[in-house]
Amino acid sequence: GAGVSQSPSNKVTEKGKDVELRCDPISGHTALYWYRQRLGQGLEFLIYFQGNSAPDKSGLPSDRFSAERTGESVSTLTIQRTQQEDSAVYLCASSLGTGITDTQYFGPGTRLTVL
Amino acid sequence: SQKIEQNSEALNIQEGKTATLTCNYTNYSPAYLQWYRQDPGRGPVFLLLIRENEKEKRKERLKVTFDTTLKQSLFHITASQPADSATYLCALEGGGFKTIFGAGTRLFVKA
Repeated sequence: GAGVSQSPSNKVTEKGKDVELRCDPISGHTALYWYRQRLGQGLEFLIYFQGNSAPDKSGLPSDRFSAERTGESVSTLTIQRTQQEDSAVYLCASSLGTGITDTQYFGPGTRLTVL
Repeated sequence: SQKIEQNSEALNIQEGKTATLTCNYTNYSPAYLQWYRQDPGRGPVFLLLIRENEKEKRKERLKVTFDTTLKQSLFHITASQPADSATYLCALEGGGFKTIFGAGTRLFVKA
C-alpha cells in the first residue's frame, strides 16, 4: 500500500504478558517514529530511527519497552510484562528523513488494552 | 521541559464561521511549529508547518500564525464546514528529530 500500515489494529492482553506491535513504513522513508497516545492526551514520543544511525530511545518510558528496525523497513515495538498503564494507542510514523521539517506520515495505530 | 497547551474544551461553531484554535507553549523557543488533524480512530494528518521567522502561513481555507514573543500559534479555518470537525493537534520541534505534541482541541462544526 501507499501509506504506513500497522498491525494488529487492536490488541487485548493480560497484565504481565509480552506484546509485539508492527509498523510498515512508506517505501523509501528512512525515518521512523513510534508514539504513544493515551485517551484524551497528545502524542508521547517513544523512539526514532534514522537509516543506520543509532536510534533515539530517549522517550521510552521504561526498560520494558524496546523497538527494533531492520534497515529501512519494518519496525517492531515490544512491551514486556505489560501493565495496565500501558493501555493506549501506539502510533507509528515515517518520513523521508532528509531534514527535521520532513512531513511525518502516520499509520492508523494499534489500540492496546491491558486487562 | 517543553510544554504545549491547547484548549481542552471542545470548540463548537456554526458552519460558515471562522474557527480559531490556540496553541501556547512554554520553556522553549522552537524553530518551527506544526498543526495536524486527527479523526477518531486514525493517525494524525499533517496540515501546515510555520517557521520561527514566518509570521503567517496560509493553505486554502487554513491560516496559521506564529508569535514567538507571546509563545503562541493561532490556527484558523475560514468558511468552516461540518467535514472540518476533528481534533486539531499543535506540535513543535523538540530538538533534533523529536516532535512534541499538544493534547489537541476538538472542533465541532454544526450544519
